[in-house]
This record gives sequence, C-alpha cells and structure tokens, in this order.
Amino acid sequence: DAMVIQNPRYQVTQFGKPVTLSCSQTLNHNVMYWYQQKSSQAPKLLFHYYDKDFNNEADTPDNFQSRRPNTSFCFLDIRSPGLGDAAMYLCATSRERPGEKVQPQHFGDGTRLSIL
Amino acid sequence: QKEVEQDPGPLSVPEGAIVSLNCTYSNSAFQYFMWYRQYSRKGPELLMYTYSSGNKEDGRFTAQVDKSSKYISLFIRDSQPSDSATYLCAMSGGWSTLGRLYFGRGTQLTVWP
Repeated sequence: DAMVIQNPRYQVTQFGKPVTLSCSQTLNHNVMYWYQQKSSQAPKLLFHYYDKDFNNEADTPDNFQSRRPNTSFCFLDIRSPGLGDAAMYLCATSRERPGEKVQPQHFGDGTRLSIL
Repeated sequence: QKEVEQDPGPLSVPEGAIVSLNCTYSNSAFQYFMWYRQYSRKGPELLMYTYSSGNKEDGRFTAQVDKSSKYISLFIRDSQPSDSATYLCAMSGGWSTLGRLYFGRGTQLTVWP
C-alpha cells in the first residue's frame, strides 16, 4: 500500500543533543510537511517543501531545520533540543498542482520525541 | 480569536448512538474542509474531504458544511467502540492560503459498549 512512513516511532534524546527524524513516502506526492503536535493540541505546521522549494513558517524556531534530498524522503533536524521540544512530530504529504483543487494531506504515524 | 474553533470534549456516548462533532471558523476564504480521525499514538487518518457547502455521506459518516454560518459538522451513525478516537477538523483556502491546513484542536470521543 502507498503510504507515509516515519522512523523511528519513538526517539529519546538528551537535552541539547542533535536529533534527526525521517519521513519517506511512496505516494509520489510533490509536497511534504512537518508538524509538531503536543498533547491535546492541534498539529502545528513547522515547514513544508513544495517540490524542492522550502517554506518555513514565521514562528518556527531556528533550532528546527529540514532537508529533502529527493521526492521520497524528508528529514527534520533539531539542532539543540530543549525540554519544550518534546512532542509528536508528524510528516504529511499531498499532491498539489497550480490551478487544481487543494488535495487532502496524508499523514504518517509520527515520531514521539522525548527529551531527557 | 483562533481561525478554527473545536470543542475538545471529551464526549462519551453508548454504542449505537448518533454522534455530532462540530467546528466553527472565522476565515471566509476557507473552501476545502476535512475531517481526520486520530487514534492514540497514531497519525491523523483522513475520514472525509468536502469542497464548499453541502453534505457528503460515506457509510456511517456524514460531513456537512454551512459556509454562510462558517460551521462544519461530522455525524457518525450507529457509533461503534472502534470509533473511539480524537476527531480533528481541518480546512484550507486553497491557493489563497497557500494550501495550508488550519486545524481544530480535536474532539476526544469515547464510545462505550
């Protein structure tokens, strides 16, 4: 089945130690998104790639970076995780074309990040 | 005022009940409306996707959009314990909002046998 896969499902890191979360997709979608979701809150968009173009949200901390080496893969790098960065990180994809209807986003199962 | 408002619940109903979940919004540019279901420790799963006003039915689920009132609903008929999850509404204005999704905070639903 075509899907969005996130690894690892659970990640524990130390305060200040860099961590990388990965996302891959077999949907061949051109847009990939990273969200942060804290308990009982709505997912918060961090950034997204539209094809190769990176789009950062204005309130995303500089501590968060992303890479998209090809269509299928996208990475979220947290350079110096703080206790407030403990959350579920969700990757999503969609297929968007100029002038066409907006398509729904398809989510992976997330990576739950804990900070010691 | 948040762009999308959703009562977080929790909502607890007996099996077989009709469930009504709702969201209100303030941005008149929104024209694409989605409902996602999120089980504990899983990602959101798309349930319904509608464009503009009207009703859409899929099995036990009906999505309703009233753009004049800026109000959307999801109805679940003959609810089952397997429907126990958090339900997130989401919406987009299409190109006018750069395709970005705006989420409600989710309503936690429990269906007890």
